[in-house]
Amino acid sequence: DAKTTQPTSMDCAEGRAANLPCNHSTISGNEYVYWYRQIHSQGPQYIIHGLKNNETNEMASLIITEDRKSSTLILPHATLRDTAVYYCIVRFNYGGSQGNLIFGKGTKLSVKP
Amino acid sequence: NAGVTQTPKFQVLKTGQSMTLQCAQDMNHEYMSWYRQDPGMGLRLIHYSVGAGITDQGEVPNGYNVSRSTTEDFPLRLLSAAPSQTSVYFCASSYSTRASGLEQYFGPGTRLTVT
Repeated sequence: DAKTTQPTSMDCAEGRAANLPCNHSTISGNEYVYWYRQIHSQGPQYIIHGLKNNETNEMASLIITEDRKSSTLILPHATLRDTAVYYCIVRFNYGGSQGNLIFGKGTKLSVKP
Repeated sequence: NAGVTQTPKFQVLKTGQSMTLQCAQDMNHEYMSWYRQDPGMGLRLIHYSVGAGITDQGEVPNGYNVSRSTTEDFPLRLLSAAPSQTSVYFCASSYSTRASGLEQYFGPGTRLTVT
């Protein structure tokens, strides 16, 4: 799996958009970008994933650059409950051992009132 | 659906004791896995299974055994607990093949302390 680089921590004001960057410069053509988050003491929660097109769901938007070497997770209106560690993971969308998620240290997002 | 359930939520063991952490899912997922998370660290993969009767080692398998006799259950056994195994343990599951994505669902975790 390709390595990812994320900032250690970020702050965001409540109600504003939170933009979390991720670099994955060695991503291969068949690897997807997945985002998970972990709210304190809980199990990680799936947010969104994409291959090359921008994606949006009820939780967030994922913007992937045209060269696919970086991406940005956008939480459009951050709330205090979005305070969590956010993990960017690249992986093949196959089964078997390629289903294993390799977690880095992620970005600690603090949403402040 | 209950999703992924783990028992117990908390456990204290003495060095050398053995125990089994239980994990069950009711989503008919083929893939299941166990992670451990130490303070301030990301999750590390212990063992995983791509279906009943099939298991394999992850990044940190030493000191742990697993088996997968049914699709629903994936217990993790600590053979002889050591203080280095003090951690939070998470179980996860997902489909093995799915055109729409292979997102994993995580349980609430088991907090284990070995004294």
